[in-house]
Amino acid sequence: DQQVKQNSPSLSVQEGRISILNCDYTNSMFDYFLWYKKYPAEGPTFLISISSIKDKNEDGRFTVFLNKSAKHLSLHIVPSQPGDSAVYFCAASPGAQKLVFGQGTRLTINP
Amino acid sequence: DSGVTQTPKHLITATGQRVTLRCSPRSGDLSVYWYQQSLDQGLQFLIQYYNGEERAKGNILERFSAQQFPDLHSELNLSSLELGDSALYFCASSVRLAVNTGELFFGEGSRLTVL
Repeated sequence: DQQVKQNSPSLSVQEGRISILNCDYTNSMFDYFLWYKKYPAEGPTFLISISSIKDKNEDGRFTVFLNKSAKHLSLHIVPSQPGDSAVYFCAASPGAQKLVFGQGTRLTINP
Repeated sequence: DSGVTQTPKHLITATGQRVTLRCSPRSGDLSVYWYQQSLDQGLQFLIQYYNGEERAKGNILERFSAQQFPDLHSELNLSSLELGDSALYFCASSVRLAVNTGELFFGEGSRLTVL
């Protein structure tokens, strides 16, 4: 049972444009959502998070939006840069002691 | 460098064998997590230890076991290996029990190939 789903395995975006990565979840008990970024041969690193009591959180070029009624999460990267090329994992917390991850979306930024 | 060290980085073995993956958490981190990433799959939570005690369990097979030692390093033991156990195994650590603050630091992973 995949509680967190990233339906796009890959996404290709032009440098300077907006990248939008999407994530859907099924468990209404999730109270915290996070995005992790992973480069090849490295472990995932934390990017940005949002609590379920908010609908938007911004950190520089990265903004996460949460639509609880649709059980949908998205990550916006503006403007996209070549260094943003990586695999992005959406994750959700059903109560602080573990994270449930999606399958990941491979983002490629083209010059 | 996250500060989390995993060994070995790569391991090739045969079906039916047993392997041990090792993780040294960041200095001061009490909590250790194990995740499995199979091909085209997300990171599947296996198990969590906090200060030597098991605190949460995910989809960990009975053939797999883990422990956290007094020096806080952790080992994941995989036995009676099957082809489907081939995956990237990540260890992560955090200073606290709660991980929803994003303070979860991952190692580079151990890639296990079962032939």
